[in-house]
Amino acid sequence: DTAVSQTPKYLVTQMGNDKSIKCEQNLGHDTMYWYKQDSKKFLKIMFSYNNKELIINETVPNRFSPKSPDKAHLNLHINSLELGDSAVYFCASSALMAYEQYFGPGTRLTVT
Amino acid sequence: DQQVKQNSPSLSVQEGRISILNCDYTNSMFDYFLWYKKYPAEGPTFLISISSIKDKNEDGRFTVFLNKSAKHLSLHIVPSQPGDSAVYFCAVNRQGGKLIFGQGTELSVKP
Repeated sequence: DTAVSQTPKYLVTQMGNDKSIKCEQNLGHDTMYWYKQDSKKFLKIMFSYNNKELIINETVPNRFSPKSPDKAHLNLHINSLELGDSAVYFCASSALMAYEQYFGPGTRLTVT
Repeated sequence: DQQVKQNSPSLSVQEGRISILNCDYTNSMFDYFLWYKKYPAEGPTFLISISSIKDKNEDGRFTVFLNKSAKHLSLHIVPSQPGDSAVYFCAVNRQGGKLIFGQGTELSVKP
């Protein structure tokens, strides 16, 4: 009965590959997010979707494409992976207009 | 240009004593402030929050203080327990918007 789940938890891949990370929330929330935690441990917003509509896109390379098939799912697809994409990616969700966001366990992506 | 700063990367406290974690922000328009706790290999967990119309919010052992004039936020944990050992992130949010995080403070509570 995990509230926000992500798969996979670990992902190791080579430069140039394309990969996807999946996120699902069972909290009934309307808004979902992707955050990136880099090697310096900073957590930064990448995208936000409200009921399948993109509302925040924070200067992320267009190799990153979020997709929301329904309001309970927000997937992140990354094309042509680069070494600098290595990071931990967190999915989160919140109720509409709520301040508190609830995070998934993270996906550690390593690009070699 | 970091909008949220946690200037202490680490803090060590004895079990039973008070832990005080600090956070400074730059934008007086921020209206909601949050603290998250993070264990290794897990996602951040929401801990406690405070609106800009208040200066204190308490939940059990955790109290958050907000000093708007100083643009300063602090989290007090009393009494500290070994299970509180984790990285603590402060964050700010404007309604419906993104969370802007500080860089975290690693708290170690020693038995």
